[in-house]
Formats: sequence, C-alpha cells, structure tokens
Amino acid sequence: EAEVAQSPRYKITEKSQAVAFWCDPISGHATLYWYRQILGQGPELLVQFQDESVVDDSQLPKDRFSAERLKGVDSTLKIQPAELGDSAMYLCASSLRQGPEKAFFGQGTRLTVV
Amino acid sequence: GDSVTQMEGPVTLSEEAFLTINCTYTATGYPSLFWYVQYPGEGLQLLLKATKADDKGSNKGFEATYRKETTSFHLEKGSVQVSDSAVYFCALIFTGGGNKLTFGTGTQLKVEL
Repeated sequence: EAEVAQSPRYKITEKSQAVAFWCDPISGHATLYWYRQILGQGPELLVQFQDESVVDDSQLPKDRFSAERLKGVDSTLKIQPAELGDSAMYLCASSLRQGPEKAFFGQGTRLTVV
Repeated sequence: GDSVTQMEGPVTLSEEAFLTINCTYTATGYPSLFWYVQYPGEGLQLLLKATKADDKGSNKGFEATYRKETTSFHLEKGSVQVSDSAVYFCALIFTGGGNKLTFGTGTQLKVEL
C-alpha cells in the first residue's frame, strides 16, 4: 500500500544548529502539507504546496523555517537555527487534490532540540 | 477564530466498555467535522466525518453525530477493544476559513484487558 515516507524518524539537535526533514508523498499526489504537532496539542499546519507552489505558509515562522518542493514531488522542511521550542513532531501529508481531509499522513519526524 | 475543544485524557477503559470522547466546536459558520486516530508508531488517519447538521459518521464501530444545536461531535463506541488504544483527535474544516484543518488537543485512550 502506498504511503507517505518521512525521514528521519527521530532527530536530536542542539539549539542554534540547522536541521532538515524530508518527505516523499504518495506518487501522483499534487498537494503536500507540513504540520507541526507539539506534545499534548493537535497538529498545526505550517505550509501547504500545490505541485511546486506554496499555497499557504501563513503559519510558517519564516525567520527560521523554510520549505521547498522544487520538482513538485518530494519536499524538505528546514529549521535554522533551531530553538528549544521547536521540539515537536513534524508531520507530512499528501493528497491527490486539494482538501486536507483527503490527505494521507506520514509517521512523522520527532525533533528534540537540546 | 474556529476552534475545537475535546475532553482531556488519558481515558482508561476495560475491554468491552462503552466509550465517549467529548468534542465541541466554535465556528462562525457550518464546518465539516472529523475524527482522526493516531495509533502508536503510525501516521494520523481519518476515522470518520460528517459534513452537515444531523449527519452521523461511522467507521470501525465508532460513531459521531453532528449536533448543531449543541455544537458538538462526540465520538462513541459501544464496546472497545485493546486494539482501539490510540490518540483520538477531533477536527474541523470551515471552508470560509481557508479550507484548513483545525485540530483539538487529542485524547489518549488506553484499553485494558
């Protein structure tokens, strides 16, 4: 069964360092989402792509976070520099067409900033 | 803005017990409502949904009814199993709000033998 692949599964980094997460969506899925899930809270949308274009990045802290999907397939989310408050689960999801309720989620990358 | 409030966990039940997880919402219009489940080590999955008042969503023995008068979407299951142990998230989409999923804080369910 096709699934959304994310790597790494776990990442520990020191504050002020750079960190990157990778997401490979289900083949053919044009819409890709990055969510952040802080422990004890629900996921919060950071950025949405339609193919290679950003549709919504209103909640992305652009001073330190960046996201790209250069060829409209896989995507990278970067944090530089990381802060202690960035410790969270970062979830990637993809869907064939727009509509977040239609998206399939990956297992996530758990980031710990020390 | 739109928001979802769900009961805090963890909720611990014995197998075959009745489950209710409360969820209420605040929205300026009429959102679509969802329940998601996150099993240990797995990605978030859509469990059920309802798109208009009085709709009942159901899946895998779970049910939830969209109650406009009480702005609620409580999740119920008549007889839980150990395999239902997971974190459950209530969520909404209000299309007038940019078509974004807004999640509650999640309720952890643990079912014991």
